[in-house]
Amino acid sequence: EIVLTQSPGTLSLSPGERAILSCRASQSVSSNYLAWYQQKPGQAPRLLIYGASSRATGIPDRFSGSGSGTDFTLTISRLEPEDFAVYYCQQYAGSLGYTFGLGTKLEIK
Amino acid sequence: QVQLQESGPGLVKPSETLSLTCTVSNGSISSYYWSWIRQPPGKGLDWIGYVYYSGSTTYNPSLKSRVTISVDTSKNQFSLKLSSVTAADTAVYYCARTRSGYRNLYYMDVWGKGTTVTVSS
Repeated sequence: EIVLTQSPGTLSLSPGERAILSCRASQSVSSNYLAWYQQKPGQAPRLLIYGASSRATGIPDRFSGSGSGTDFTLTISRLEPEDFAVYYCQQYAGSLGYTFGLGTKLEIK
Repeated sequence: QVQLQESGPGLVKPSETLSLTCTVSNGSISSYYWSWIRQPPGKGLDWIGYVYYSGSTTYNPSLKSRVTISVDTSKNQFSLKLSSVTAADTAVYYCARTRSGYRNLYYMDVWGKGTTVTVSS
């Protein structure tokens, strides 16, 4: 079973700063299998990135994804007030289905 | 655009079966996979399983013995049944459209708003 470890658990930054969120897999994962989601309190998750680096429809270009193998990154170039939320990475594990990381909480400093 | 809406009882007694339905509107249930995901209070996301519009299913191995997901294409709905529930099954339950193998990509692009299910006597 592939485990996704997200770090840091909590990231405290100010609007206008750059955020770098990490998702590390316990075994190599195809980039096609890796996605990122944003979740705000009381809301459903929203797809941000799929295929490790492709932005979903309507996602601002300040969000970008990168990485391969076991190390993936979500970067938010300049934080807007609405970006403070919890972010999850997700991978597809074949017959085992889908798994998520435990999330990174991005909070206002 | 496609919208999903979960429905079902918000309170289920221990040992009973949790039953939820997800209604797909403004789009067809055909040609997609449809997932159930849950989120216990204050915790992360846990994928339960999915059903293809044809009826084939894949479940999370940790829940497989208790889960049944089915689809009704005539009603544009799919459903979740989780048997022998305990307090540990208390969570917000989401349904989501799932791109599983579409262009060799794997993600969930449309989510319902979620429904809270509490297991308590």
